Amino acid sequence: LAKTTQPISMDSYEGQEVNITCSHNNIATNDYITWYQQFPSQGPRFIIQGYKTKVTNEVASLFIPADRKSSTLSLPRVSLSDTAVYYCLVVPSGGYNKLIFGAGTRLAVHP
Amino acid sequence: DAGVIQSPRHEVTEMGQEVTLRCKPISGHDYLFWYRQTMMRGLELLIYFNNNVPIDDSGMPEDRFSAKMPNASFSTLKIQPSEPRDSAVYFCASTTLGLSTDTQYFGPGTRLTVL
Repeated sequence: LAKTTQPISMDSYEGQEVNITCSHNNIATNDYITWYQQFPSQGPRFIIQGYKTKVTNEVASLFIPADRKSSTLSLPRVSLSDTAVYYCLVVPSGGYNKLIFGAGTRLAVHP
Repeated sequence: DAGVIQSPRHEVTEMGQEVTLRCKPISGHDYLFWYRQTMMRGLELLIYFNNNVPIDDSGMPEDRFSAKMPNASFSTLKIQPSEPRDSAVYFCASTTLGLSTDTQYFGPGTRLTVL
């Protein structure tokens, strides 16, 4: 499984756009990039997944460059409720594969 | 759907006691996972089941831990005897290959404190 590297923590203010970058230099051809969000005292929640280019849903956007060695999770106009830990995972496609959660990025949104 | 249901939400016990954590996966999901989360070690996969059969228990810390899934709607994680180092939040999650194996639905967790 490809190892991922992301910042330990980030700070932002309400209304700002937040971009969290994840490095996965040894990503394999059949790997997908998946992001989870974990609020305090809750279990992780899937937020977005992508293979290449750009994916957008109601929660976030995921930008993946052509070489796929990194990805950026973009949260538009964050609010206090976006304060959470964000995990970047690389998972092979096909069948079931273990999810390996790293330390994640602890995002703190301030008023 | 009510989502993944775990009970109890909080458990405080004394060292040496048996602890049983319970999980009801989302109906129709054929994969069930047990995770443990601590500040020191983060979120770790303990064991997972597919169609009620344990597939990989390599994450189970030692013989004091055991997990069962007697049917598609119920699973237990048992610790006997419990030790203070078992204190953690235990999460259950479920999914199905019909969705995406990356999309696991987590329960609210059980916060276990062993005194």
